[in-house]
Amino acid sequence: ETGVTQTPRHLVMGMTNKKSLKCEQHLGHNAMYWYKQSAKKPLELMFVYSLEERVENNSVPSRFSPECPNSSHLFLHLHTLQPEDSALYLCASSRDRYNGYTFGSGTRLTVV
Amino acid sequence: GENVEQHPSTLSVQEGDSAVIKCTYSDSASNYFPWYKQELGKRPQLIIDIRSNVGEKKDQRIAVTLNKTAKHFSLHITETQPEDSAVYFCAARSNDYKLSFGAGTTVTVRA
Repeated sequence: ETGVTQTPRHLVMGMTNKKSLKCEQHLGHNAMYWYKQSAKKPLELMFVYSLEERVENNSVPSRFSPECPNSSHLFLHLHTLQPEDSALYLCASSRDRYNGYTFGSGTRLTVV
Repeated sequence: GENVEQHPSTLSVQEGDSAVIKCTYSDSASNYFPWYKQELGKRPQLIIDIRSNVGEKKDQRIAVTLNKTAKHFSLHITETQPEDSAVYFCAARSNDYKLSFGAGTTVTVRA
């Protein structure tokens, strides 16, 4: 275990459902991230939180809503998703802006 | 914003041969360049990184080179082994939190 835990590992949801993805890190890192990974495409940054403050919101549709209640936890709330939102959602953390990321194992999301 | 391009998209090498993956970046202010390896069904893992004040870094069979003038950096894997088969991502970052990633290179090492 690398220290970044994501739940659930797999999620199937209908377009009218509401669900949440959870990410937890116990590395003492100050920044946390949500990335979307789709086949044959670069990792797409969605949100960045530094010390619980959102510092980046990369033009993500409002059907994705992040929440960072403290420096160890990050959520991604999902509602009225589209089939094209099906992807692997990766959470990552870093000590600061000068170091690399530690990734979680991801949540494989399928929207039906 | 930063734009990172990565080539090739797929690479097949014979076991024992070398593999080279190349990336270019657009933002001259970028100063941190990590490489990640993602095995099938697993999380991306940092394998090596380099900062802009260094031209080359080596860790056993893996090396990374950086040419700031040309804005490109490369990953070199020597004496490839079957366990090197994976998707490799390059990334670049300037003075903020955001890493911009390349599209990935699928490396297959043939036994």
